[in-house]
Amino acid sequence: EIVLTQSPDFQSVTPKEKVTITCRASQSVGSSLHWYQQKPGQSPKLLIKSASQSFSGVPSRFSGSGSGTDFTLTINSLEAEDAATYYCHQSSSFPLTFGGGTKVEIK
Amino acid sequence: EVQLLESGGGSVQPGGSLRLSCAASGFSFNNYAMSWVRQAPGKGLEWVSTMSGSGGSTHYADSVKGRFTISRDNPKNTLYLQMNSLRAEDTAVYYCAGAPSYYGSAYDYWGRGTLITVSS
Repeated sequence: EIVLTQSPDFQSVTPKEKVTITCRASQSVGSSLHWYQQKPGQSPKLLIKSASQSFSGVPSRFSGSGSGTDFTLTINSLEAEDAATYYCHQSSSFPLTFGGGTKVEIK
Repeated sequence: EVQLLESGGGSVQPGGSLRLSCAASGFSFNNYAMSWVRQAPGKGLEWVSTMSGSGGSTHYADSVKGRFTISRDNPKNTLYLQMNSLRAEDTAVYYCAGAPSYYGSAYDYWGRGTLITVSS
């Protein structure tokens, strides 16, 4: 099983600040690494697919990078509506797995 | 507009059974691999099972293998999850989610989820 380790677990950030979340895979997933945003009481929403491709309708302040085992989600100029938990997910091999999540709080 | 609408959730005693349904609309259902993903209260996301668009391939998490069965009815645009021998640790919100391919793809679409509570 591929284990995804996200860091940090929690981040408190002021608006307009830049946020960086990392996801490390226990073995290579190629580019089959995706990022989701989940707000309280809502289902997850796809932000970034295949490591760096923005999903339709996602604001341009969200971007992804990386390949193999090390990946990054960046939120440039954080907005209040970005308060959420962010998850990485690998679909390279079964069992599919998710990272533990990173909760982003707005100061 | 894409919609995934889960139903069939509720409370059940340990050892009991439930069948979840997920009605899909607004996209080409038979071209999408469909999955069930669950989230225990206050916890993260856990993949449960995936079925290919044709229904010919399936995978299960070890935690549910032998107890849960995924299926789909493409003419009805509906995904199912038959859950038997339920345990307390199966308590979670169950989401159905769709991906454009069986391997390598992200979940483009998610339902709102349905809550399963397993308790005596």
